[in-house]
Amino acid sequence: KNQVEQSPQSLIILEGKNCTLQCNYTVSPFSNLRWYKQDTGRGPVSLTIMTFSENTKSNGRYTATLDADTKQSSLHITASQLSDSASYICVVVNMDSNYQLIWGAGTKLIIKP
Amino acid sequence: DVKVTQSSRYLVKRTGEKVFLECVQDMDHENMFWYRQDPGLGLRLIYFSYDVKMKEKGDIPEGYSVSREKKERFSLILESASTNQTSMYLCASSFRGTSTDTQYFGPGTRLTVL
Repeated sequence: KNQVEQSPQSLIILEGKNCTLQCNYTVSPFSNLRWYKQDTGRGPVSLTIMTFSENTKSNGRYTATLDADTKQSSLHITASQLSDSASYICVVVNMDSNYQLIWGAGTKLIIKP
Repeated sequence: DVKVTQSSRYLVKRTGEKVFLECVQDMDHENMFWYRQDPGLGLRLIYFSYDVKMKEKGDIPEGYSVSREKKERFSLILESASTNQTSMYLCASSFRGTSTDTQYFGPGTRLTVL
């Protein structure tokens, strides 16, 4: 069954600290993996998209990694800011099924001052 | 910038009412999507459309219908609202059907059915 599991479910860190969010998936065949940021009460916004051949991609203080062999991805946030408080959602695209998107449940990140 | 707008941010309806949720995008995107988002679950696809008057069922189409009469507008219809349809509804659009197209989301409509 195609699934995307994210951990932890929620995380609280102090402003200025780094953190890493995890995503494990069983989706096959794999097309690409995306990370979205969703602020409370808003729609998700794309952070990164990685295809099979890419194992790291950065967007400012956000760095995503992908290990297609172990079917794992991580999102690392450096020097966190209060505005990073949001849910971070991992999405894996299935090459079959008309490029169906399989959504994780998200990690809720809270940055404390 | 891509802009996806949804007709209401918050909506309260009674069981059995017909509910219309509207979504408009301003970037001439071909694809449009309706999702629902519930706590602890990933986004679930209700319906999507890849062209005017074209629609495809997603993972959970039961109890919903859609309409796409114009390219920029995609409507979600709850024919007879039920309490289990209380949820956050998100509309998205993307340019075309390639595998790496980004989906752009609207702000969401939080629907409560009493």
